[in-house]
Amino acid sequence: DGGITQSPKYLFRKEGQNVTLSCEQNLNHDAMYWYRQDPGQGLRLIYYSQIVNDFQKGDIAEGYSVSREKKESFPLTVTSAQKNPTAFYLCASINGGALTEAFFGQGTRLTVV
Amino acid sequence: AQSVTQLDSQVPVFEEAPVELRCNYSSSVSVYLFWYVQYPNQGLQLLLKYLSGSTLVKGINGFEAEFNKSQTSFHLRKPSVHISDTAEYFCAVVKGGGSNYKLTFGKGTLLTVNP
Repeated sequence: DGGITQSPKYLFRKEGQNVTLSCEQNLNHDAMYWYRQDPGQGLRLIYYSQIVNDFQKGDIAEGYSVSREKKESFPLTVTSAQKNPTAFYLCASINGGALTEAFFGQGTRLTVV
Repeated sequence: AQSVTQLDSQVPVFEEAPVELRCNYSSSVSVYLFWYVQYPNQGLQLLLKYLSGSTLVKGINGFEAEFNKSQTSFHLRKPSVHISDTAEYFCAVVKGGGSNYKLTFGKGTLLTVNP
């Protein structure tokens, strides 16, 4: 079945360490997105990518980095520069040409201690 | 820049009552609009979408929404809610007509259905 896979579901890291969250899709979608979700804040866009080897900053890109070397993969690195990294992270993809809907992964809950 | 405003952060309602969750957007160009539902600790599931055509859109689980261009609104409605509808609901917008697929969400509305 086609879909988006985020891994791991739960992740714990010590403060000051970089951590990479995985997002893979087999939907052949062009565009992929990373969102951060905090209580009462909704989904805030971190980065998005419309094609391979290209990506744009979203509204809260500081302290994060991404790559898009393959169409199906869009990993997110939370760096030590991110001041408050503990959050729920959601990855999504969308078929840009048809623009039907965005499909979401099940999320990764990152806790930094 | 496009933005989405969900006017109510929480909506409590009794079972079998009607409900309306409000969403307004701002954009100077045509848009595509979506409503998503999120259950605790899960991803988002599409309820319905407006891309073009009829302004009244029907979705899953008995939900519907009406696109009103003059009021820049896309309110979500259900005539009779169930306990199982308790969840968080998000309105989202994508600017239409171009190649920029920036998908922007509102802050969400927590719908709580009480017995």
